[in-house]
Amino acid sequence: QKEVEQDPGPLSVPEGAIVSLNCTYSNSAFQYFMWYRQYSRKGPELLMYTYSSGNKEDGRFTAQVDKSSKYISLFIRDSQPSDSATYLCAMSAVTGGGNKLTFGTGTQLKVEL
Amino acid sequence: DTAVSQTPKYLVTQMGNDKSIKCEQNLGHDTMYWYKQDSKKFLKIMFSYNNKELIINETVPNRFSPKSPDKAHLNLHINSLELGDSAVYFCASSQRRGAGTNEKLFFGSGTQLSVL
Repeated sequence: QKEVEQDPGPLSVPEGAIVSLNCTYSNSAFQYFMWYRQYSRKGPELLMYTYSSGNKEDGRFTAQVDKSSKYISLFIRDSQPSDSATYLCAMSAVTGGGNKLTFGTGTQLKVEL
Repeated sequence: DTAVSQTPKYLVTQMGNDKSIKCEQNLGHDTMYWYKQDSKKFLKIMFSYNNKELIINETVPNRFSPKSPDKAHLNLHINSLELGDSAVYFCASSQRRGAGTNEKLFFGSGTQLSVL
């Protein structure tokens, strides 16, 4: 079993829909949770960052972390065709050995006109 | 003025060959990384250097050898290429080495390696 599980999709939604993307994890040491967005043939770019449990909102994007359930979510409101990409969750624990992110496999999202 | 640039973008080669991928960042960051992304989009760290010092070395065959001539450059040399090495290799950088806080990773656009 992978440390981080993510439904690969693909997920297809109409423009304007609310999108929910999720990851579960098994390592209780994870404290830092991130969502990266990756467009086709590009490198991932950081979208949202959350420390420990709670919610964080940035424009149309909301990240939620529930450490008790080992479950994180990314919500996209009023989805746009430009949101079509692969969304990767990532997480890390506090270590002295450097920033070692563990990624999910990514969910491919397509927002259709 | 690309922040993290890697070359080449595409690399097609025969099994058994030796190849290198180069990476440069102009962000003034201390820490650089190599990640491998397989055909299922799974992204896994291979190496990390902080100010030219190797700080993360995951379980990677020793055919893979990173080299950091200075903190702005991190190259990846691969000996005796195998079919299973086919993947997209991403270089990334972050301001500091620590986990969490605002250690945002900046990724390059990737090098698509195809071993025939």
